[in-house]
Amino acid sequence: SAVISQKPSRDICQRGTSLTIQCQVDSQVTMMFWYRQQPGQSLTLIATANQGSEATYESGFVIDKFPISRPNLTFSTLTVSNMSPEDSSIYLCSHDRVGAEAFFGQGTRLTVV
Amino acid sequence: GQQLNQSPQSMFIQEGEDVSMNCTSSSIFNTWLWYKQDPGEGPVLLIALYKAGELTSNGRLTAQFGITRKDSFLNISASIPSDVGIYFCAGQQGGSEKLVFGKGTKLTVNP
Repeated sequence: SAVISQKPSRDICQRGTSLTIQCQVDSQVTMMFWYRQQPGQSLTLIATANQGSEATYESGFVIDKFPISRPNLTFSTLTVSNMSPEDSSIYLCSHDRVGAEAFFGQGTRLTVV
Repeated sequence: GQQLNQSPQSMFIQEGEDVSMNCTSSSIFNTWLWYKQDPGEGPVLLIALYKAGELTSNGRLTAQFGITRKDSFLNISASIPSDVGIYFCAGQQGGSEKLVFGKGTKLTVNP
């Protein structure tokens, strides 16, 4: 599987600010996904990031709050905008280079104060 | 949206014991995946299942794709302390690239 690097690994941010999380894959992948994992919870898909087109967002997530870029087949960013304490979560990116099998980065642990 | 019911929520076992956890759904899935997540890390894929009835092993781990395509289980034999973590099932339905995750099973192994 392609190796995924995600940064930052963690951050503490002030409410009202924005944070951009980067996800780099060491080989080309068709689809990249962004998930949110709230404390003690499971993974919830935020959106699917496709190169050359706008991201596809899941119900409950909107582009204004979570803008996503996918400039090429190895890189994507997720921005968490106008943050509030409720946005404190782990944010994970993944790719699906092998069939249905999703491979994850190490995640970004975000705390909003 | 579609949900997977994963049980148990947590398990406390002694080292050397066997462990079993499962996921069920009211809908059919074409793929079942099992992941393990350690603290501060992303989930790591353990086993992938693609056919109903398929039984697959990975070391001390064994997983099965239920014959009805609505469930899957994961067994861990002879548990060791490094098995500690949260185990997630995930499923993919036909015609979708998206994965649905269970709520996780938190495993604690006492030495």
